[in-house]
Amino acid sequence: QQQVKQSPQSLIVQKGGISIINCAYENTAFDYFPWYQQFPGKGPALLIAIRPDVSEKKEGRFTISFNKSAKQFSLHIMDSQPGDSATYFCAASILGDYKLSFGAGTTVTVRA
Amino acid sequence: DAGITQSPRHKVTETGTPVTLRCHQTENHRYMYWYRQDPGHGLRLIHYSYGVKDTDKGEVSDGYSVSRSKTEDFLLTLESATSSQTSVYFCAISELGEYGYTFGSGTRLTVV
Repeated sequence: QQQVKQSPQSLIVQKGGISIINCAYENTAFDYFPWYQQFPGKGPALLIAIRPDVSEKKEGRFTISFNKSAKQFSLHIMDSQPGDSATYFCAASILGDYKLSFGAGTTVTVRA
Repeated sequence: DAGITQSPRHKVTETGTPVTLRCHQTENHRYMYWYRQDPGHGLRLIHYSYGVKDTDKGEVSDGYSVSRSKTEDFLLTLESATSSQTSVYFCAISELGEYGYTFGSGTRLTVV
């Protein structure tokens, strides 16, 4: 049973639009929440990560929003570009336990 | 991906045969992981290692074994391959105190 539930499974956005991917978890011991980006034929690569002591983290056009009480976190891709077309995975782990639990993934397609 | 190499990149094997996948790192990282990636399931942890000869099971370990006799090498063995083990297998590494993973490029395994 997946410990991190991710939605939607796929989304299509126009160039310049905002892509939003949501993840939810049940295990309140989770305290590290990364997002990975994967291009076809490649391994996933760490994109951005957040800990529960902050509600938002921004790196360039990518922003993580974190809602501890709702046990949800989301990735926002602002001004989406065709080069952002990829599969995105959310994940979670417990401090001191280096194993990551991944969501099912979201395939993002940015139309030019 | 810099510092981590998986071999082979592609393999087709017959049901019932043993198969060994290799992960080699040059980063001297302590932790190594094997994940499988399947549509709709994301990445699921098979086995992981927290040091030479120190390994443990992940969430989908049935039918798989691992060995780590050197820091740089982590082997995944399918004792008797089944069609349900057709998947893309990713190795990842991480270091003590760092929770971000570096993934290899993956091995696409087809069991016929």
